Amino acid sequence: KQEVTQIPAALSVPEGENLVLNCSFTDSAIYNLQWFRQDPGKGLTSLLLIQSSQREQTSGRLNASLDKSSGRSTLYIAASQPGDSATYLCAVDNNDMRFGAGTRLTVKP
Amino acid sequence: GAVVSQHPSWVICKSGTSVKIECRSLDFQATTMFWYRQFPKQSLMLMATSNEGSKATYEQGVEKDKFLINHASLTLSTLTVTSAHPEDSSFYICSAREGNTEAFFGQGTRLTVV
Repeated sequence: KQEVTQIPAALSVPEGENLVLNCSFTDSAIYNLQWFRQDPGKGLTSLLLIQSSQREQTSGRLNASLDKSSGRSTLYIAASQPGDSATYLCAVDNNDMRFGAGTRLTVKP
Repeated sequence: GAVVSQHPSWVICKSGTSVKIECRSLDFQATTMFWYRQFPKQSLMLMATSNEGSKATYEQGVEKDKFLINHASLTLSTLTVTSAHPEDSSFYICSAREGNTEAFFGQGTRLTVV
């Protein structure tokens, strides 16, 4: 069974900092990997999807990379803002989608 | 992206009653649907995977007789929580995809059993 781990569990940074969230998975035979954002009490907002054949995807201040052979993905957030405060979830799809425990990000004004 | 509609968004029910949650794909054929449960301050835990026309595959520890999943058509899957108890109170989310393409998520259903 696929195991997905996210580090760190929580992160607090001052506004403007660049930051990196990490996701690792045990089974590299994946179809894709997806990063989501979840605000308290809300559903999921899809941020970036990386297909297994891709190495990275970018959207605005977000950049996600994928190293399938080592079972790792990173989500890079540039110039963080208080509005980025949320829980970030990594989900790995190899026939079923499994989530990591998430990183709870707080960006202080 | 494609749209997955989940209904209701929230429900309160009495202990011992059953609750049905619907998950619909609005503009694609959902050959596979996933059901997740999320307790407060925890991540999403996969409950079961269902393929259209087949019985759902449940994760270890999930009671299939308590959480009934019906994926009878390519656009609709339902999760019925039977004889609900307060410990079943949680946030339930479905996702759907066509083939091995990207999965899209519903808005979630917050279930409170009193």
